[in-house]
Amino acid sequence: NAGVTQTPKFQVLKTGQSMTLQCAQDMNHEYMSWYRQDPGMGLRLIHYSVGAGITDQGEVPNGYNVSRSTTEDFPLRLLSAAPSQTSVYFCASSYRGQGEAFFGQGTRLTVV
Amino acid sequence: QKEVEQDPGPLSVPEGAIVSLNCTYSNSAFQYFMWYRQYSRKGPELLMYTYSSGNKEDGRFTAQVDKSSKYISLFIRDSQPSDSATYLCASLSNDYKLSFGAGTTVTVRA
Repeated sequence: NAGVTQTPKFQVLKTGQSMTLQCAQDMNHEYMSWYRQDPGMGLRLIHYSVGAGITDQGEVPNGYNVSRSTTEDFPLRLLSAAPSQTSVYFCASSYRGQGEAFFGQGTRLTVV
Repeated sequence: QKEVEQDPGPLSVPEGAIVSLNCTYSNSAFQYFMWYRQYSRKGPELLMYTYSSGNKEDGRFTAQVDKSSKYISLFIRDSQPSDSATYLCASLSNDYKLSFGAGTTVTVRA
């Protein structure tokens, strides 16, 4: 099993560009989520999904969109990149109601 | 105010020392508490998982929860250089969202 796979691992964007961060899991987990990690801030929840077709906002959703058309995939879209979105992004999945989340390796995004 | 507060450190200890990490939380409804370990440039991995108040031991690691004071602790005995990592406390809310502390970076010196 691959677990949670994130692509790309690194990305540099110019201000105003859009892009999609990919996340896929092969554990049949209902719950998937996106976090950003910034120094001194820990992991902050951007968006999450409790199943295919259901998404909701987390703590810091502005500037990001998500969709969940299948159980396996949960892409994160940056609509118009800003320097404030420079961060490390983690996708995670878990069984619903479980505290054991499985994380991907992260995407390091720099917006210039 | 974050729901889970954690001193970001950093913390540097000699090999063999006891490492003590602490967090506080504000939401009385939290029942499940976790400690995640994150090595440099990797994703976090679950280290310890406790329910409600009490202690849980796993080898050199002990997790404690005191719900009366809303305090979460992790102790690492006989620390090793391989324990050098960032440790994040987390709590699970009733709507299944994880709230993380800021993480404490620990360095164990050989």
